[in-house]
Parts: sequence; C-alpha cells; structure tokens
Amino acid sequence: QVQLQESGPGLVKPLETLSLTCKVSGGSISNHYWSWIRQSPGKGLEWIGYIYYTGSTYQNPSLKSRVTVSMDTSNNQFSLTLTSVTAADTAVYYCARRGRYGYFFDLWGQGAPVTVSS
Amino acid sequence: EIVLTQSPGTLSLSPGERATLSCRASQSVSSSNLVWYQQRPGQAPRLLIYGASTRATGIPDRFSGSGSGSETDFTLTISRLEPEDFAVYYCQRYSPSLLTWTFGQGTKVELK
Repeated sequence: QVQLQESGPGLVKPLETLSLTCKVSGGSISNHYWSWIRQSPGKGLEWIGYIYYTGSTYQNPSLKSRVTVSMDTSNNQFSLTLTSVTAADTAVYYCARRGRYGYFFDLWGQGAPVTVSS
Repeated sequence: EIVLTQSPGTLSLSPGERATLSCRASQSVSSSNLVWYQQRPGQAPRLLIYGASTRATGIPDRFSGSGSGSETDFTLTISRLEPEDFAVYYCQRYSPSLLTWTFGQGTKVELK
C-alpha cells in the first residue's frame, strides 16, 4: 500500500533553512494533493502548505513568505523548505496526502522531529 | 478566522464506557468539511471520520460522528471504549474562503 516517509535534518540553527523531503512509495505521486503539517506543544497541529502533482502550490498565509513546497515527480517525492527558522518552528513535521474526494488527510507519514537550536 | 474549540480537554473513562467528544466552531461551518482524527502516542494522526459523520475505511462502527448542514456543534462518539481507543482526538475543518485547514486543540481520552 502507499506509504509516506519524511527525511531531513533533526536539528537546524536559528535563522537557517529547514528542508525536509517526503518519499511516496507503493503508489504514484500523480493525481493527488500533498501537504505538510506540523505539530508542536505550543501550537498544536498546523497545516503548512500543499502541492498538487501538476506543480501548483498553496501555503498557509501565516507562513507563506517563508514556505516553499516543491515536487520531484521522477523520484516520487515532494519537499518542504522553511526559511529563517526560529525556536517557534520546532515541531514534528508530517507529510500527508489529501483524500481524493474530500478536504481531509487520509494518509500520513510517521513524522520528522525538527529542533531549532544553536 | 473560525476557531475550533474541543471539549473536554481530558476525558477519563474505563474500557467499555461511552465517550462523547465535542468540537465547537466559533461560526457556522459546513459539515462536509468537518473531520475527526485519532492520534495514539508516538504516531501520526489517523483519519476517523470525514464529512462530520462518514467513517473512513477500516474504522470500526463504534466510532460515530454527528453534525449536518451548516452548524457550530459537532460530536464524536465512541460507543464502547476498547483499550486501543485511549488516545488524543482532533477535529479539523477546511475553509473554502481561506483555502486552509485548521485543527482543534484536541481531547485526550485517558484510562480512568
């Protein structure tokens, strides 16, 4: 079955750039919307942004200026870049698939913990 | 921005008991965009209910959601708690106007 796996550094220095990748296995990245969602003790679950397999993207307005979501269809993966990070960006970052017939997330990765600290 | 408030924060119950979880929106929202997830410790959230009342694939029928049309109050009910149901539950909605998703703060169902 389709599985998602996040990867990337677990520690990022303040003001640097956080980069994560989500590998889609067991299925195609096509015909779906793919999102990044994060979870922190302070802010709970927060949707970050999505990319459609065509390449169109949309980001949470609260993070928009710092977020880029991109896709590598040849490798069946998509990525998150978050610039100028602070301690407030410390969280577990999840990649997730939006359900084909609704506005919900029906498949999630296991999560990648990221700490912002010098 | 519409805020989702879940109550209670923690629900202490025993296996076999009924759990009733509330998700209240600060303004009326479409039930078609209201979703419930379960999150067990150390795991990602798992889709339980979408469209306020439709169980996701593989979700047992002891889980049910209520709410229809446009309203502010939604409920997740677990009819008879099983040991694996002790977890945190989140409601979530999609905003067609803002094109964003927001989550409630969660209700923890703990073993009494």
